[in-house]
Amino acid sequence: GEDVEQSLFLSVREGDSSVINCTYTDSSSTYLYWYKQEPGAGLQLLTYIFSNMDMKQDQRLTVLLNKKDKHLSLRIADTQTGDSAIYFCAESTNYGQNFVFGPGTRLSVLP
Amino acid sequence: DGGITQSPKYLFRKEGQNVTLSCEQNLNHDAMYWYRQDPGQGLRLIYYSQIVNDFQKGDIAEGYSVSREKKESFPLTVTSAQKNPTAFYLCASSRGLNQPQHFGDGTRLSIL
Repeated sequence: GEDVEQSLFLSVREGDSSVINCTYTDSSSTYLYWYKQEPGAGLQLLTYIFSNMDMKQDQRLTVLLNKKDKHLSLRIADTQTGDSAIYFCAESTNYGQNFVFGPGTRLSVLP
Repeated sequence: DGGITQSPKYLFRKEGQNVTLSCEQNLNHDAMYWYRQDPGQGLRLIYYSQIVNDFQKGDIAEGYSVSREKKESFPLTVTSAQKNPTAFYLCASSRGLNQPQHFGDGTRLSIL
């Protein structure tokens, strides 16, 4: 079945770049997503990429997709303390459960 | 502004009691979802609905029930059969099943 994996923790210094990685197993994914969850809140859709693209940039966020290796990454440039949150990777497909979330990566930004 | 509204934000349940969590969306989305999140954990799918009057079990449906009588509304009932209901419950909606999901702010359920 579908599976999405992420490392659970990442710490970076304020002003540095953060790179959050994700791997998935389903080669028939249609879209891949990054969500942000702040404490006690719901998930905020940050960005998503169609599976036939390899890169998408949106201000400080850059998404890279390596379809051959089934690897997705989210780069946050000039990381700020307000970026501290849990980041979820997710994929959607045209069948089965349709939408699968990873376990989330907790990003801590150190001053 | 369009969005998803979950209420209440905090809810307490007594032993043996059923409680209902509300989820309303004005995004004109066909699909709606309920997830459970435990501390330090990811999301687990409870139920989802692709269209009005239709819903499907997710991975952890036991002890929960839903209805989808209106497009805008997808209430979740946590029944007394759910022995460990303390969790953060998230509702989401999307245009279709493989489209981006948009989330509400969640309801935190605790046991008295």
